[in-house]
Amino acid sequence: DVKVTQSSRYLVKRTGEKVFLECVQDMDHENMFWYRQDPGLGLRLIYFSYDVKMKEKGDIPEGYSVSREKKERFSLILESASTNQTSMYLCASIPLMGTTDTQYFGPGTRLTVL
Amino acid sequence: AQSVSQHNHHVILSEAASLELGCNYSYGGTVNLFWYVQYPGQHLQLLLKYFSGDPLVKGIKGFEAEFIKSKFSFNLRKPSVQWSDTAEYFCAVNRGFGNEKLTFGTGTRLTIIP
Repeated sequence: DVKVTQSSRYLVKRTGEKVFLECVQDMDHENMFWYRQDPGLGLRLIYFSYDVKMKEKGDIPEGYSVSREKKERFSLILESASTNQTSMYLCASIPLMGTTDTQYFGPGTRLTVL
Repeated sequence: AQSVSQHNHHVILSEAASLELGCNYSYGGTVNLFWYVQYPGQHLQLLLKYFSGDPLVKGIKGFEAEFIKSKFSFNLRKPSVQWSDTAEYFCAVNRGFGNEKLTFGTGTRLTIIP
């Protein structure tokens, strides 16, 4: 069974802090994604990665960066957290390009920025 | 860019009622279509998916969806809902291979009254 884990379920940070959200998958998936989920807006893609050290911007990358040093781990970084980044953050992964598989999601990290 | 519309933001039904949640997408090429569900306090999970073939797709827990290409629609249905179907439902679409980035609708909150 595919497992996608996220380092924290709940996180509270202060404005201006640097925040790291970690995601780990245990199925050797090439592709990993970071979304944020907000009421009335659904899920919006922040960044994704097709391979180690590769990253591409999603629909709302401003204020975020990512790191993928190892295949199983995909980190989302908020360089200087702001209150408008208070949200639920979801990580997802999917195996090889060309498959008809679908994305597997982690449990989410609810981040509050004060 | 593709987009997904879910016109029902909040649906309230009594148990045993029939359900239909609308989903329309805006992309003229080949698409893959998904319905995800998020039960209260749980992570996002796949209900059903359409890649090709029979446009009537059956998923878990008695849900089904019909892909109507001429209407750019992928509506979710269930003939008789249960209290345990209370959740948020997201329609999503991507292009080409299944691992391409997903575009989500804004979600429909379904409340079932016992």
